[in-house]
Amino acid sequence: EAGVVQSPRYKIIEKKQPVAFWCNPISGHNTLYWYRQNLGQGPELLIRYENEEAVDDSQLPKDRFSAERLKGVDSTLKIQPAELGDSAVYLCASSQGATSGANVLTFGAGSRLTVL
Amino acid sequence: AQSVTQLDSHVSVSEGTPVLLRCNYSSSYSPSLFWYVQHPNKGLQLLLKYTSAATLVKGINGFEAEFKKSETSFHLTKPSAHMSDAAEYFCVVSGYSSASKIIFGSGTRLSIRP
Repeated sequence: EAGVVQSPRYKIIEKKQPVAFWCNPISGHNTLYWYRQNLGQGPELLIRYENEEAVDDSQLPKDRFSAERLKGVDSTLKIQPAELGDSAVYLCASSQGATSGANVLTFGAGSRLTVL
Repeated sequence: AQSVTQLDSHVSVSEGTPVLLRCNYSSSYSPSLFWYVQHPNKGLQLLLKYTSAATLVKGINGFEAEFKKSETSFHLTKPSAHMSDAAEYFCVVSGYSSASKIIFGSGTRLSIRP
C-alpha cells in the first residue's frame, strides 16, 4: 500500500512568487493534516480536514496561505505570495476517521521550500 | 490547554549504551501521548503511543516509554543504542477527543557514537 505521497519534494522560488504543494493521503483516511516544520523545530499544524471540511485552520495565515481538499481525498496547499520566512518543510499527514485523540498520523516525506 | 516540553535538544550516547529522551507534558484532561521518529529526509514515523491503558508502552525497534502521571512525564528509553537509532525524536500530546489539537515537542536529536 502506498503511503502519504507529497510533491514536489523540493522547491526553490524567489520571494513574492506563488507556490503550491500537493498531498495524496492513504486510501480511506478521512482526516488530512498540513504541518509546517521550521529548521530545528517540531511540526506546527496549519490546517486539519475531516473529509472535505476544514475543521481547524486557526493557525493558517489566511492572508497568503490557502488550502483545499476537493472531494475529500487529495489536497493542495498554496502560498501566494511567498515570503522569506516561509522557508520550511511542509508536511502532510493523514489518519483514519477522527474517533479520539489517539489517532495515529501517517506522514509523507515532506516538501522542502526555500524562498530566496 | 495542552503543551509538551522535550528537555534536551540533543543527546549523544555510545553505541550499546542506554538511551533516555525526556518529555514532560501538560494537559487538562487525560492525554494521549506519542513518540515519533524522523530520520534525515524521511517522513515522521510512529514509535509508540499511550492511550490510558498500560503505563509502560512498548514500541518498535526496542524503544519503550513510561507514562508517569504524578511527574507528568513520558520519557523514551532503549536499553542498548544502535547506530541506526540516530535521528530526531518528537514527543507528542493530544487530548481524549477527536477535536483535540495534536501538539509536537521541539524535538531531540539523538546521536550515536561508535
